[in-house]
Amino acid sequence: GAGVSQSPSNKVTEKGKDVELRCDPISGHTALYWYRQSLGQGLEFLIYFQGNSAPDKSGLPSDRFSAERTGGSVSTLTIQRTQQEDSAVYLCASSLPSSEQYFGPGTRLTVT
Amino acid sequence: LAKTTQPISMDSYEGQEVNITCSHNNIATNDYITWYQQFPSQGPRFIIQGYKTKVTNEVASLFIPADRKSSTLSLPRVSLSDTAVYYCLVGDFYGGATNKLIFGTGTLLAVQP
Repeated sequence: GAGVSQSPSNKVTEKGKDVELRCDPISGHTALYWYRQSLGQGLEFLIYFQGNSAPDKSGLPSDRFSAERTGGSVSTLTIQRTQQEDSAVYLCASSLPSSEQYFGPGTRLTVT
Repeated sequence: LAKTTQPISMDSYEGQEVNITCSHNNIATNDYITWYQQFPSQGPRFIIQGYKTKVTNEVASLFIPADRKSSTLSLPRVSLSDTAVYYCLVGDFYGGATNKLIFGTGTLLAVQP
């Protein structure tokens, strides 16, 4: 594809439900990142993948958050037992090694 | 990653040159300076990156003094469509273990007609 794509673009869920957010990186990009942006705030790093492995999970806010990447391509960010404070825009980015990151349009998550 | 400080907001008019300065007093030898632009409801977009002196591309120029403790993003002849948040980032993007980006709150540039 031409750029990073994310789905869904919007997700409204009830508190306590699990959600899955998907990221399709640019073809050939080995590095993949997840960030979170709360309303009016800067971006917060969550997790980084190099290939299918995640050498840096330091940004995951709690054990309710997990992510996986398969085939060195698509990644899924899962949030279990969602809380209202999880409401934010979740952004995915991909890059070639040690190169600038290209961001997707994000998934806006609203927990009611 | 070095901490950065930039103005929260700036106002300008169409056709003017805009200079946004970022302070990064603790920049390390291997750190590069990178600027991203973010429009509402979109992910950030890479604008420009530099290590020292001056870098210019089709979108902007980046000026970095010899001590590298600050940098200035220059946008020539801004238009209404340049209204966005501009983020300054500093880090070892070419040697770091993860190259994760640490974003501050950025500078909201508002361009008036």
